[in-house]
Amino acid sequence: AQSVTQLGSHVSVSEGALVLLRCNYSSSVPPYLFWYVQYPNQGLQLLLKYTSAATLVKGINDFEAEFKKSETSFHLTKPSAHMSDAAEYFCAVAVGGNTGKLIFGQGTTLQVKP
Amino acid sequence: DTGVSQNPRHKITKRGQNVTFRCDPISEHNRLYWYRQTLGQGPEFLTYFQNEAQLEKSRLLSDRFSAERPKGSFSTLEIQRTEQGDSAMYLCASSLLFGPQETQYFGPGTRLLVL
Repeated sequence: AQSVTQLGSHVSVSEGALVLLRCNYSSSVPPYLFWYVQYPNQGLQLLLKYTSAATLVKGINDFEAEFKKSETSFHLTKPSAHMSDAAEYFCAVAVGGNTGKLIFGQGTTLQVKP
Repeated sequence: DTGVSQNPRHKITKRGQNVTFRCDPISEHNRLYWYRQTLGQGPEFLTYFQNEAQLEKSRLLSDRFSAERPKGSFSTLEIQRTEQGDSAMYLCASSLLFGPQETQYFGPGTRLLVL
């Protein structure tokens, strides 16, 4: 069965600093992995997705994530944090088969300090 | 492309009442998903449709929950005899059928509070 673990429920960085949000997955099949962002009282917006085409995936707003099979990880990074990046971030894995059902991690709240 | 819309955005109800939420997917998206999100947690899958057929229901979806997508377009999620534990954000997402690589586009959600 597929599962996702996000390490650290809260991450705080200074504006301009590197952002690193950690995600580890478990999957019995080659995984399809996603990062979504959720701003307060809003739905989820896709940042990026891994579909086995390339291990380094670039997304919107300068976010990127690297798929590392040996470490079963899909960490999200951004070189320089902006105040507008403060939000909740979710890592998800597709269940596979004929369904697009997603299994989400518990989320990481990113705080950006001025 | 107007995005996924959900109505109402907020709903406050008393325990024991029935509530119904509506989701309008992106036009021509043939898959529609419902998720539930409680405070501090990631979304949890409830059910999904491919066109008008409901293909899977989570064990989270008790008999008090029912979902429909009668014409393969909009969908409704009804909760009967609401309980305080039903308080959550209910998210709808739609996608084009493409297997596990498909991208789900989420609506803004309906926040339910059961008093």
